[in-house]
Amino acid sequence: AIQLTQSPSSLSASVGDRVTITCRASQGIYSALGWYQQKPGKGPKLLIYDASTLESGVPSRFSGSGYGTDFTLTISSLQPEDFATYYCQQFNNFPQTFGGGTKVEIK
Amino acid sequence: EVQLLESGGGLVKPGGSLRLSCAASGFTFSNHPMSWVRQAPGKGLEWVSAISGGGDRTYYADSVKGRFTISRDNSRNTVYLQMDSLRGEDTAVYYCAKDRILITGTTFDHWGQGTLVTVSS
Repeated sequence: AIQLTQSPSSLSASVGDRVTITCRASQGIYSALGWYQQKPGKGPKLLIYDASTLESGVPSRFSGSGYGTDFTLTISSLQPEDFATYYCQQFNNFPQTFGGGTKVEIK
Repeated sequence: EVQLLESGGGLVKPGGSLRLSCAASGFTFSNHPMSWVRQAPGKGLEWVSAISGGGDRTYYADSVKGRFTISRDNSRNTVYLQMDSLRGEDTAVYYCAKDRILITGTTFDHWGQGTLVTVSS
C-alpha cells in the first residue's frame, strides 16, 4: 500500500499566519490526492481534490499544489475557524490511504 | 442537500458481528460509489471498503478482507457494512462517505456523522 507521510504532525499558529502542510507519498501518485479538514466530533470536509482543485464552497485562502510524490496544502491567512486537523488522501490505487494528520492549534 | 445517516453501531464482544447501515438522500444514490472509512479513538483516518454505484465491484482494506462485506440496496438508498469476526482493533467511529464523482475510489465530498463501534469483552 502507498504510504503518505504528513509533516508536521502538529503546529501552533496565530490568526493571519500563512500555514503550509506537506504530504509525501511513498511512490508516485500523479495528482491523485485530496485534502480534508476535520474538527472534533465531526466527519472530515473535503477541501482540495486532484491535488490542486478547490472544492466548491471552500474559501480561496486554501490552496493545494504538487505532483508525483510531494504535495502541499497552504492556508494563506489562518482564520479562527481553520483550527482543526488536516489529512491528505491518495486515490491513485486501492487501498486508498490517508496521511497521519496535522493538527493546527492556536498559538 | 446531501445527507448520509449511519446507524447500527454499538458494543460487541470479540468474535461477534454487527451490521452498519448508511441511509443516503439528496443525490442520485445509484450513480455514486460509496465507501466506509473508520477512525479509531484519538487516531487518524483509515479507508475500509468501497462499492461501485451498481454494486458489482467491491474493494477492501487488507485489515478487514474476509471479515467485512460491503453491499448496497439502491431501491432503499442505503449502503451496508456487515462486520464479522470483530476484533479489538476494529473499535472506531465508522463513517459513510460519498465519492465526489462516478468513479469508484476517488475523493469523498460528503461524509456522515459517524457511528461508534466498540469491540470489548
